[in-house]
Amino acid sequence: SQQGEEDPQALSIQEGENATMNCSYKTSINNLQWYRQNSGRGLVHLILIRSNEREKHSGRLRVTLDTSKKSSSLLITASRAADTASYFCATDEVTSGSRLTFGEGTQLTVNP
Amino acid sequence: DSGVTQTPKHLITATGQRVTLRCSPRSGDLSVYWYQQSLDQGLQFLIQYYNGEERAKGNILERFSAQQFPDLHSELNLSSLELGDSALYFCASSVASGQGVEKLFFGSGTQLSVL
Repeated sequence: SQQGEEDPQALSIQEGENATMNCSYKTSINNLQWYRQNSGRGLVHLILIRSNEREKHSGRLRVTLDTSKKSSSLLITASRAADTASYFCATDEVTSGSRLTFGEGTQLTVNP
Repeated sequence: DSGVTQTPKHLITATGQRVTLRCSPRSGDLSVYWYQQSLDQGLQFLIQYYNGEERAKGNILERFSAQQFPDLHSELNLSSLELGDSALYFCASSVASGQGVEKLFFGSGTQLSVL
């Protein structure tokens, strides 16, 4: 079952623009993570934000977490064609035990 | 390179057959996770092992089984294969801290095609 729902399902922007992806989840979490997947390849961890954190930065990435709304957003600034990929949020739910539950992903296309 | 090795990369087999997917985790990682990715189901958690013991189970079919060996490598066995089992199967590893799931390192996956 999917914990996270991501919005939008697909996003197409021009190089240099910012890309924002949203994730909503249903249950209490220990942390929320974002992963990137290039076409058919393995997922790569981008950033982890814990339930007691509200915002985190890593390079051109900015993640926010609102536990009251059970939602998170991933902002990629000054996007590049190489950022073209699928982006997934994943939640470590308090009651689920040792697993990450992934959302359906956002397909980001950055046009040169 | 994540440090997680999965073999084989591609597997083509027929319905009713049995296959074994293999995963070697990153050096030092005690936890191994198996996920199935398909177009209609997305990324589904199958099972997790920690230091040789099953720690968590997802929507894993009874036809599927897994184990983690003393050297920490893991195998996922899929039997009585059906067309719907065609998917990308990922293994991931992590250093389990006991305080939630930390970042996962994913292998490049095994693409299973059941014909």
